[in-house]
This record gives sequence, structure tokens and C-alpha cells, in this order.
Amino acid sequence: GQSLEQPSEVTAVEGAIVQINCTYQTSGFYGLSWYQQHDGGAPTFLSYNALDGLEETGRFSSFLSRSDSYGYLLLQELQMKDSASYFCAVRDSGNTPLVFGKGTRLSVIA
Amino acid sequence: NAGVTQTPKFQVLKTGQSMTLQCAQDMNHNSMYWYRQDPGMGLRLIYYSASEGTTDKGEVPNGYNVSRLNKREFSLRLESAAPSQTSVYFCASKSPSTDTQYFGPGTRLTVL
Repeated sequence: GQSLEQPSEVTAVEGAIVQINCTYQTSGFYGLSWYQQHDGGAPTFLSYNALDGLEETGRFSSFLSRSDSYGYLLLQELQMKDSASYFCAVRDSGNTPLVFGKGTRLSVIA
Repeated sequence: NAGVTQTPKFQVLKTGQSMTLQCAQDMNHNSMYWYRQDPGMGLRLIYYSASEGTTDKGEVPNGYNVSRLNKREFSLRLESAAPSQTSVYFCASKSPSTDTQYFGPGTRLTVL
């Protein structure tokens, strides 16, 4: 089976940087993904790491270390609109479904 | 290009009633999924379909059935609704060329 651990809540100040960590246990590994979900909305894709290292997309970056079964999502120059839940997810092969963590609720305060 | 659509958006059922949640995607994706989301529980997979004509159980399949009607449509049926099935239900499809899953807007179901 697969399991993922991420903090349940994080609070950060507008304009600051926040890091959301995710550790996982899987029988196989096909990549680590991150999804964002605003209250009342649907999850939307943010990033995907199949190989070790950092992927950057604008203010968001995602990091993966396969040897440590660990990844993180880094959000820079935080804005109020970044207040949302963030989910890490893994797939253990190309044909199996994503398994999601329980999510981290990020609150951005002024 | 509407992406993934779901109907209805909201539904209230009485215990024991049945209903079907509809999902369709217009992105020509092979893989489709049904998840339920409860507070503090993240997204849990109910059933998935890797391709037209195939379906498989996920983490929480009890009380549900699915039908992959064609490549576009994947429906979820509750035969005898129970209060424990009160949840938000999301349908998703996956691009074959990337690892991205696209989610529908969700169906908010309350079982009384």
C-alpha cells in the first residue's frame, strides 16, 4: 500500500515564503504531484516531480528526494489568494491511480 | 472544451434511496476516477477505469457501483444511500502524456 504524511495546517504571512513537506511510503514510485484546492472548489494540478531535484513554476517550486521518500512544495511571495489546501499525491506505476495525502491547509495572514 | 463535467452539483437523498452521479470528459482521456472527499480525510479513491470497458475498485468501494459507458462517460451509482455516504464526490480524468489529473467541479451529496 501507499501512505503519505503532510502537516495538517500551516500559517504564514503575506509576502513570506512557506514550505509544505510530504513524506511517502509506496511499493513502487512513479512521481510526486502537488494539487491546490480552494474552499468549495476542485483540486487543480500544480506540479509534478519524477526525478530528484527542484522544479520551478513561477512563485511555486517543488522538490523531490527519492532516496529520502520526501518532497516539498515551496511557495514564495505569498499572496492572500494562496490560502487553500495543498495535497501531495503519489502513483506507484504509470497505470495506477494517484493516492493523495490528507492535505495541508495554508492560511495566509496580513 | 469543457474539461470534466459532473451532474448534479448538489443532491439531497433520504436513506435507502438510489441515485447516479454523472461524469463526462471531452479530452479523449483513457483513465477516469471517482473520489470522495470528507473533512480531514483528503481524497479517497472509490473506483477507477483505466480504459473503456474496464473498472477497478479503489480504497473505499463498498456501497458504490460504476459504469464506464464509453470513453467519455464514467458514472457512479449509489444503490441504497446511507448517511455515511454524505460527502463531496469528484470525478477526474488523466492525460496519457503527462501525469496530470483533471477534476470536475464536484457533487455535494447529503444523505438524511
